[in-house]
Amino acid sequence: AQSVAQPEDQVNVAEGNPLTVKCTYSVSGNPYLFWYVQYPNRGLQFLLKYITGDNLVKGSYGFEAEFNKSQTSFHLKKPSALVSDSALYFCAVTGGGFQKLVFGTGTRLLVSP
Amino acid sequence: GAGVSQSPRYKVAKRGQDVALRCDPISGHVSLFWYQQALGQGPEFLTYFQNEAQLDKSGLPSDRFFAERPEGSVSTLKIQRTQQEDSAVYLCASSPPPQGFTVDTQYFGPGTRLTVL
Repeated sequence: AQSVAQPEDQVNVAEGNPLTVKCTYSVSGNPYLFWYVQYPNRGLQFLLKYITGDNLVKGSYGFEAEFNKSQTSFHLKKPSALVSDSALYFCAVTGGGFQKLVFGTGTRLLVSP
Repeated sequence: GAGVSQSPRYKVAKRGQDVALRCDPISGHVSLFWYQQALGQGPEFLTYFQNEAQLDKSGLPSDRFFAERPEGSVSTLKIQRTQQEDSAVYLCASSPPPQGFTVDTQYFGPGTRLTVL
């Protein structure tokens, strides 16, 4: 069965500092990994994905994520956080021939001025 | 271009009523997904269409839930005899057709917030 763990309910960081939002996964076969962001009363907005290739994936708004197969992790990172990055972040995985995404429980990112 | 649209954005139903939620996918996207997001939780898969074919309905929680996409474009999620536990945000997503064994990005609509009283 596919699963995703986001171990932190909330991450607090000061504006200008680097941020990391953690994600680990379990899937049969090759994983396809995604990060989405959700703002209040809005749907999920795609940030980036790992399908194959380079382990470091760059996405929208300066975000990037590093795929680590040995640690089954796909942590989201940004070198310098903005207050406007404050939102709910979801990691998702699929694989094994499936198309449906399995999501984590989400991590709330709070960037303080 | 236009994204995924959903209507209504908000729906309040009395317990026992039937509801219908609509999803308009991105033009040209043949794959369409429905997810249910309970308060404070991540989205959970309900069902998946490729064109008009419903290829996976393993996530539908009961036979009160029914989805259709008769012409391979607009989709409707119907919930019969609504219960309080059906209260959630229902998200629709669409994606281009899968290329071989890879997976393409799903683009989500704003969701329909269903409240069952």
